[in-house]
Amino acid sequence: SAVISQKPSRDICQRGTSLTIQCQVDSQVTMMFWYRQQPGQSLTLIATANQGSEATYESGFVIDKFPISRPNLTFSTLTVSNMSPEDSSIYLCSVVFPGILSYTFGSGTRLTVV
Amino acid sequence: RKEVEQDPGPFNVPEGATVAFNCTYSNSASQSFFWYRQDCRKEPKLLMSVYSSGNEDGRFTAQLNRASQYISLLIRDSKLSDSATYLCAVPTGFQKLVFGTGTRLLVSP
Repeated sequence: SAVISQKPSRDICQRGTSLTIQCQVDSQVTMMFWYRQQPGQSLTLIATANQGSEATYESGFVIDKFPISRPNLTFSTLTVSNMSPEDSSIYLCSVVFPGILSYTFGSGTRLTVV
Repeated sequence: RKEVEQDPGPFNVPEGATVAFNCTYSNSASQSFFWYRQDCRKEPKLLMSVYSSGNEDGRFTAQLNRASQYISLLIRDSKLSDSATYLCAVPTGFQKLVFGTGTRLLVSP
């Protein structure tokens, strides 16, 4: 089965700094998404990562805060910019493989902002 | 009405019990539905997909009620290892997956 590699798995960052999270899949996927899961909460979609064009953001999320890249069909990055403690969360990439309707998640990045 | 709603629980059941969770959804046009399992500090993993009236896999049964717009997950003969959070998910437009808040299950000896 296909492998999704997400890194870093965890980080502790100073407020005001930025962190870039990478999601690498070992086969081509049709869709890639970025989710956030705040402590004790369910998953909230941040944006759809579009290959070769700007990401599509959900209400409440903006490109300046969460810039996303997807240069090809197997790789995407999410940057959490100018971090504050409220950004402490788990960030998850999710992909849809061709011919499969369900979504598969990376192992997540546990971010703590101090 | 939220797009996807679940009872957060927790559901506390003894080993061997049968337990059921419901999930209601607002988009009557939805055609596919998913149950994910999430263990503490882990990513969600697909448990079952539901595309028609229902699906069964061993001790797990998922059923769809389109008229009332809910899906259910039934777990028979609960094991200690079934303790987890069960997330209901429904795709919306452009294949975006919307999750419920999750239902926490605790199975005790």
